[in-house]
Amino acid sequence: EADIYQTPRYLVIGTGKKITLECSQTMGHDKMYWYQQDPGMELHLIHYSYGVNSTEKGDLSSESTVSRIRTEHFPLTLESARPSHTSQYLCASSEGGGYTFGSGTRLTVV
Amino acid sequence: GENVEQHPSTLSVQEGDSAVIKCTYSDSASNYFPWYKQELGKGPQLIIDIRSNVGEKKDQRIAVTLNKTAKHFSLHITETQPEDSAVYFCAAKLMNYGGATNKLIFGTGTLLAVQP
Repeated sequence: EADIYQTPRYLVIGTGKKITLECSQTMGHDKMYWYQQDPGMELHLIHYSYGVNSTEKGDLSSESTVSRIRTEHFPLTLESARPSHTSQYLCASSEGGGYTFGSGTRLTVV
Repeated sequence: GENVEQHPSTLSVQEGDSAVIKCTYSDSASNYFPWYKQELGKGPQLIIDIRSNVGEKKDQRIAVTLNKTAKHFSLHITETQPEDSAVYFCAAKLMNYGGATNKLIFGTGTLLAVQP
């Protein structure tokens, strides 16, 4: 049973469009994360947050931005999408131990 | 910082055989080692984890072993079934209780294919 939700599951958009990928969790976790996953399988951390009004950049440089205004919500925004942003985006949350992942958003920029 | 290496990157076994995936970590302070299974079109799901105060943990057909001296840990799947086919990730972190927050460091993943 999923306690962390990502929408949309699939998104195809044109170059230059602004998009927001949604991530919400109902577990009250303080810590939330965004990963980018390419076909090579590896998980690349692009953003994380340890609580409301706290956001940090991850290990992989990304042109996306995030916000954390509410504990349960951690949206990711691309101001101007490019084909190089085509990827799978995974959101996760935790309360100190392992992570709970959402099902991901498959983004294709044409 | 922590670095986790995972091998092999792909593994093909016959149904009913065993599968073993190995990971090594660099930070001897790490004390929490989870394993995740990612099926096609889904996010990774935690399947088993182990803490540094035990050497082995089992859950039905899956088991994880930890060698703190050598800084490596392994996932063992016995009597593999086609539904075990997925990508598996190992991870490591130092889990502080009430202290600083550390992130999970993931391995690069293993694509397991179980041939019927």
